[in-house]
Amino acid sequence: ELKVEQNPLFLSMQEGKNYTIYCNYSTTSDRLYWYRQDPGKSLESLFVLLSNGAVKQEGRLMASLDTKARLSTLHITAAVHDLSATYFCAVYSGYALNFGKGTSLLVTP
Amino acid sequence: DADVTQTPRNRITKTGKRIMLECSQTKGHDRMYWYRQDPGLGLRLIYYSFDVKDINKGEISDGYSVSRQAQAKFSLSLESAIPNQTALYFCATSDETSVHEQFFGPGTRLTVL
Repeated sequence: ELKVEQNPLFLSMQEGKNYTIYCNYSTTSDRLYWYRQDPGKSLESLFVLLSNGAVKQEGRLMASLDTKARLSTLHITAAVHDLSATYFCAVYSGYALNFGKGTSLLVTP
Repeated sequence: DADVTQTPRNRITKTGKRIMLECSQTKGHDRMYWYRQDPGLGLRLIYYSFDVKDINKGEISDGYSVSRQAQAKFSLSLESAIPNQTALYFCATSDETSVHEQFFGPGTRLTVL
């Protein structure tokens, strides 16, 4: 069974600081996805990582994938309040996505 | 217009009632999914369908059934709702390319009293 673990589950950080969210998964996969969810809203696709060593950046967010370590990271650079949301990683199981429990991020002044 | 739509967006019902949640998509995708989200648990797969004649159970299918009426429509039913089915339900679609990216509907918030 494919298990996906995110940490931390809760993160409060000051504006301007950097931080990394980690996503570990238990079985081989080379398809990993990051989504953002605002309270009461749907999931918005942030990054699609399709191979070992893949790195993608959008604004203050950068995601990477190491399939050998079964690890993906979502790095936040110089956080701003607008980044406050819940972030999910998901791994393709062969037929659907297995999601982590999400990281609830709060950026404070 | 939204590519993936869900109706209703909110529903309050009573224990034992039959409920149907509907999902429609205009993305032309063959693959459709139903997930359930509970606080602190992420999203869990209920059912998925790769085409009109293909229906598969996910990890938490007990108490649910689905119908794939057309390529664009995938409905989720709760035959006899119970309080622990109170959750946020999402429909998603994906195409058959190797990317497998999924696109989500706006969600249906269901409360079972």
